[in-house]
Formats: sequence, C-alpha cells, structure tokens
Amino acid sequence: AQSVTQLDSQVPVFEEAPVELRCNYSSSVSVYLFWYVQYPNQGLQLLLKYLSGSTLVESINGFEAEFNKSQTSFHLRKPSVHISDTAEYFCAVSDRGYYAGGTSYGKLTFGQGTILTVHP
Amino acid sequence: KAGVTQTPRYLIKTRGQQVTLSCSPISGHRSVSWYQQTPGQGLQFLFEYFSETQRNKGNFPGRFSGRQFSNSRSEMNVSTLELGDSALYLCASSSGGRGFFGPGTRLTVL
Repeated sequence: AQSVTQLDSQVPVFEEAPVELRCNYSSSVSVYLFWYVQYPNQGLQLLLKYLSGSTLVESINGFEAEFNKSQTSFHLRKPSVHISDTAEYFCAVSDRGYYAGGTSYGKLTFGQGTILTVHP
Repeated sequence: KAGVTQTPRYLIKTRGQQVTLSCSPISGHRSVSWYQQTPGQGLQFLFEYFSETQRNKGNFPGRFSGRQFSNSRSEMNVSTLELGDSALYLCASSSGGRGFFGPGTRLTVL
C-alpha cells in the first residue's frame, strides 16, 4: 500500500518570497511522483512529474521538485512566488512497473493537499 | 488535441436516485481513471479502465461502478445515491506515464 503525507495544510507567503511545499510518501515498491495544482472550481493540472532519471525536475512556470529516495520525499519549491500561484497543490504517487508497455497510468494516491496563499 | 471532457459539469440528484457520469479521454488515450474529491476525504481513486477492462479498483462500495467503451469513452454509475456521495468526480486519461484531468462533474445529492 502507498500513502502520501503533505506536511502543511496551508502555507501563506508574501509575493516574491520563496516557498517550499513538503511531501513525503511511503511505498513498498518503486513509484512515480507527481505534483498537481488545482485552481478554484477547476480540475487538476499536472505541474511536474518524476518518472526516472535526474532527481531534480522542473516545470515551465518556475516550480521544481527533487526526488529524495532515502528520505522518501518530493518537496516542491519555487524561489519567487506570484499572486497567480495561489491555489491548492497536491502531491501524488503511483506504482511503477505494474503495467507492461508503460501505456497506462495506474492508480494515483494523493496527499491531502496544501493551500498556498500568496499575499501582496 | 482536445482535452478530457466530462459531462455533465453539474448535477443535482436526490437520495436513492442513480446517476451516470461520462468522460471522453484525449484522442489516442486508452487509460481512463476516476477519482472522487470531497473536502473531508480529499482525492480518492475509484477505478481505472484500460482497453475496456477494469485494471484497478479503489475502496468504494459496489454502488459505484464503471465501464469503458471501445472508443475509450468511459462512464461511471452510482446507484442508490447517499448524501455522502456529493463530491467532485474527476476523470483522467493517460498515456506514457502522464495523466490529464478533466474539469470534473460536481454532483450534489439532496
């Protein structure tokens, strides 16, 4: 079984300040790791993912996350946030190697979410 | 490519009724997953279909069921609705390890 813990339910920050949203996971098998963002009254948008390779992954809007296998963490960071980053962020894991051919997504296990509020 | 579409976007039902939600995946995607999102339980996995076969199922009662058609479109059905079934139901289609979520169907049970 897998589980995901997002260590902060709410993170308030001021605009242009750095931010870190923490995520720890537990799994008995190798996993894929994801961060999703959800704006009010919208669905989930993939922010970034770790499948394999470099442990540091980046998104196009300045977020980055680092996979730390020994600490089973996948924290999300941004050096300077904007008002428009205000949203709820979800960390998720899925098992890997379950589906042959790599064409399926598997089951995502989500954390409880972190509400990031950026103040002017 | 068009994104994942879900219909209807909003739905109001009463206890005891049944409901069917529809999801059209991105063209070429054969995997469709369903999730329930509530304030109390967060995002929970319902089931996943791949090429018309259910590959994985979450921990929900048998009132929740689904199916996938040959064109990869998927439906989920909830019978004998309960107040606690009020939620945002999200569908995701995926290919190559990346999933795309639809906007969801907001179900309210009165």
